[in-house]
Amino acid sequence: DVKVTQSSRYLVKRTGEKVFLECVQDMDHENMFWYRQDPGLGLRLIYFSYDVKMKEKGDIPEGYSVSREKKERFSLILESASTNQTSMYLCASRSLAGSSYNEQFFGPGTRLTVL
Amino acid sequence: KNQVEQSPQSLIILEGKNCTLQCNYTVSPFSNLRWYKQDTGRGPVSLTIMTFSENTKSNGRYTATLDADTKQSSLHITASQLSDSASYICVVTGGSQGNLIFGKGTKLSVKP
Repeated sequence: DVKVTQSSRYLVKRTGEKVFLECVQDMDHENMFWYRQDPGLGLRLIYFSYDVKMKEKGDIPEGYSVSREKKERFSLILESASTNQTSMYLCASRSLAGSSYNEQFFGPGTRLTVL
Repeated sequence: KNQVEQSPQSLIILEGKNCTLQCNYTVSPFSNLRWYKQDTGRGPVSLTIMTFSENTKSNGRYTATLDADTKQSSLHITASQLSDSASYICVVTGGSQGNLIFGKGTKLSVKP
């Protein structure tokens, strides 16, 4: 089974702090994604990575950066956390092998609260 | 504009009853449509995928339909169980760059 893990289930930070969210997948997937999920807004794509050291902005990249130094790990960085970044953050990964209909596998999510 | 609209926003049903969730999309070109189930506090898990040529696909008590002409999909849940309480998210892959477009989800509550 594909496993996508995220470093924390719950996180509380203060405004202005630098925040690191880590995601690790164990299936050698090329693609990895970071989303945030807010009530009434659904999932919105922050950043994605096609492969190691590659990154692309999603729909809402402002205030975030990412790092993909190893294939299995994709990090989301909040340079200076703000209260409007309080949200559920979901990581996903996807294989490029075989069908173009490949499923995105999601991690359990990190609920971040910025005070 | 590529969009995915889901209805209803929320739904409460009694255990054992059937229900149908709707998904309308305006994504073009269309590649495929997935239904995900997301339990509270968990990440989404894929239930089924529909491609352009498929009309119906079942996964246990879940049956998805797709009408590519009207750009509508439905997810029918038969003989609901308490464990079906979750959010159900419709995701369409398509557009000029093969992006994933997410619906906002339907929150289903099954009561005993």
